[in-house]
Amino acid sequence: GAGVSQSPRYKVAKRGQDVALRCDPISGHVSLFWYQQALGQGPEFLTYFQNEAQLDKSGLPSDRFFAERPEGSVSTLKIQRTQQEDSAVYLCASSGGFQETQYFGPGTRLLVL
Amino acid sequence: GENVEQHPSTLSVQEGDSAVIKCTYSDSASNYFPWYKQELGKRPQLIIDIRSNVGEKKDQRIAVTLNKTAKHFSLHITETQPEDSAVYFCAASKEAWGGGYNKLIFGAGTRLAVHP
Repeated sequence: GAGVSQSPRYKVAKRGQDVALRCDPISGHVSLFWYQQALGQGPEFLTYFQNEAQLDKSGLPSDRFFAERPEGSVSTLKIQRTQQEDSAVYLCASSGGFQETQYFGPGTRLLVL
Repeated sequence: GENVEQHPSTLSVQEGDSAVIKCTYSDSASNYFPWYKQELGKRPQLIIDIRSNVGEKKDQRIAVTLNKTAKHFSLHITETQPEDSAVYFCAASKEAWGGGYNKLIFGAGTRLAVHP
């Protein structure tokens, strides 16, 4: 079946612009995670949704980062007033439940100039 | 919070040799340890995982061992092939407060190069 998809795959933004990154999880997956992967590093947790409920946003680096999953399926990560330090790959992962495998999307590579 | 350290950062082997990557974790409550392989520009893909109720798990050329007392776990790849070349990430997790999910805490990665 279809895996996790993300769009856009690449995004170039000027400093100060707002961006929106989309994640389409595997159909039926309850759990959805966002991670940030800096160049040469491992992914770092940003936030978690269980269906439409955002249960953990402890990893969001600032109040410029906002995520939503209004219908419990597609999720959007929004970054307001982008800064150069926001440049990274943003990965989305979904899973069927607790300690089930997390399947990752291809990521969105964000470059802030 | 949990911290995962991974060694070595780079590993170069000849085709057919074995490769071993080691990780240590800090939170003794962690109980799920997946390994992901990430090729350049691609998504991380799970290659093997282990839960804390077992000490070793094998899948063909890949094995993972877990030492809960020492809080470390290792990935072993035997008979390496050029297509094994990639970055490998270990991760650790536990059931988060409130239950029902586990956020992965990743190591910094090991770049494995297998030379023909």
